[in-house]
Amino acid sequence: EAGVTQFPSHSVIEKGQTVTLRCDPISGHDNLYWYRRVMGKEIKFLLHFVKESKQDESGMPNNRFLAERTGGTYSTLKVQPAELEDSGVYFCASSQDFLGGSPFQETQYFGPGTRLLVL
Amino acid sequence: TQLLEQSPQFLSIQEGENLTVYCNSSSVFSSLQWYRQEPGEGPVLLVTVVTGGEVKKLKRLTFQFGDARKDSSLHITAAQPGDTGLYLCAVLYSGTYKYIFGTGTRLKVLA
Repeated sequence: EAGVTQFPSHSVIEKGQTVTLRCDPISGHDNLYWYRRVMGKEIKFLLHFVKESKQDESGMPNNRFLAERTGGTYSTLKVQPAELEDSGVYFCASSQDFLGGSPFQETQYFGPGTRLLVL
Repeated sequence: TQLLEQSPQFLSIQEGENLTVYCNSSSVFSSLQWYRQEPGEGPVLLVTVVTGGEVKKLKRLTFQFGDARKDSSLHITAAQPGDTGLYLCAVLYSGTYKYIFGTGTRLKVLA
């Protein structure tokens, strides 16, 4: 079974440009999460999808970030326009539906991340 | 303010030594997860602990959840170079599906 994949693995852009990150979750996983780690800091939650719906986007830094999950499959995270402080590693994770159970019983599977550098 | 404090931040030891890393908070949690992350990869879940005082073992790794469910420890016996990596603890933020991560302990085991 294929794991969570992310594209691109690395991206170097200039301030003011637009970048779109893509995440393909494990097939059949309804839950999809985006996280970000800025250098020297902890991994921080950005948002959570259940299928195509945004359940919690409280971690999104500002309105320059837009996440979508068309058809409940892959997801994209667009940063427009990018700023220097957006540099970091962006992780995507997916998990199966909680099936009425508790979320802390789930296993999140992480992708390898996209390393974004804004110059 | 960091919700989860991990210590130590860095640890370099010789192969065969034992070590313990900690994840502490002033808050109570329903559960706590430990992950290991290797360079160029995403975190991989090692274990979830849910009951105060719970001890779980994964080969040479022993995980314990504090009695008050505010802290946890990870003990590695006879560390191997393959144990090298970043160890992260994580919890669900109360009443949400939002995971909060600690800053991690970066472990290096020298052959």
